[in-house]
Amino acid sequence: AQTVTQSQPEMSVQEAETVTLSCTYDTSESDYYLFWYKQPPSRQMILVIRQEAYKQQNATENRFSVNFQKAAKSFSLKISDSQLGDAAMYFCAYRNLMANSKLTFGKGITLSVRP
Amino acid sequence: KAGVTQTPRYLIKTRGQQVTLSCSPISGHRSVSWYQQTPGQGLQFLFEYFSETQRNKGNFPGRFSGRQFSNSRSEMNVSTLELGDSALYLCASSLVPEPSYGYTFGSGTRLTVV
Repeated sequence: AQTVTQSQPEMSVQEAETVTLSCTYDTSESDYYLFWYKQPPSRQMILVIRQEAYKQQNATENRFSVNFQKAAKSFSLKISDSQLGDAAMYFCAYRNLMANSKLTFGKGITLSVRP
Repeated sequence: KAGVTQTPRYLIKTRGQQVTLSCSPISGHRSVSWYQQTPGQGLQFLFEYFSETQRNKGNFPGRFSGRQFSNSRSEMNVSTLELGDSALYLCASSLVPEPSYGYTFGSGTRLTVV
């Protein structure tokens, strides 16, 4: 079974600074998808970024980028130029390539942004 | 374009009662999935529906059930509520249940069992 581990329960960053959130996973599959979701107090899970395992290039979405290390099964999220609106819970998630497959989530990390 | 709509937003029920939660997917989306979120267990998959058929099911007792209607709207039902069923229940929709199509989540229903 696949597992996703987020070992840091909380992190804090100064506004305009850069922060990296860590995630490791375990799978025997060679191809799969990895995601970072953001959950603000509104409770809606919002997709931040997605990485396809067969792509070597790290995904980037504006101020958000990932460091995908397939051999190490590591998938960290870097937030540059942190903004107050980035404060939320962040979840790392895994999904295999099968139709009807589920998302497997990590426990999440609470990110606070200091003004 | 309306997002995923979940109703009600909050719900308080008594132990032993049953509850029905509703999810309206994004227009055109035919796949609906449900997740339970608790502080202790995190986010756990309940089930996924596509074209009115349950395609995948998580490891939950039979008290948890769901269905999907011809208009893709979905309901989940929990019978004989227990205190441990208190959670945020999130619904997500997708065009089809292929991983290359991402999920869009709703804002959830917060269920409190007293």
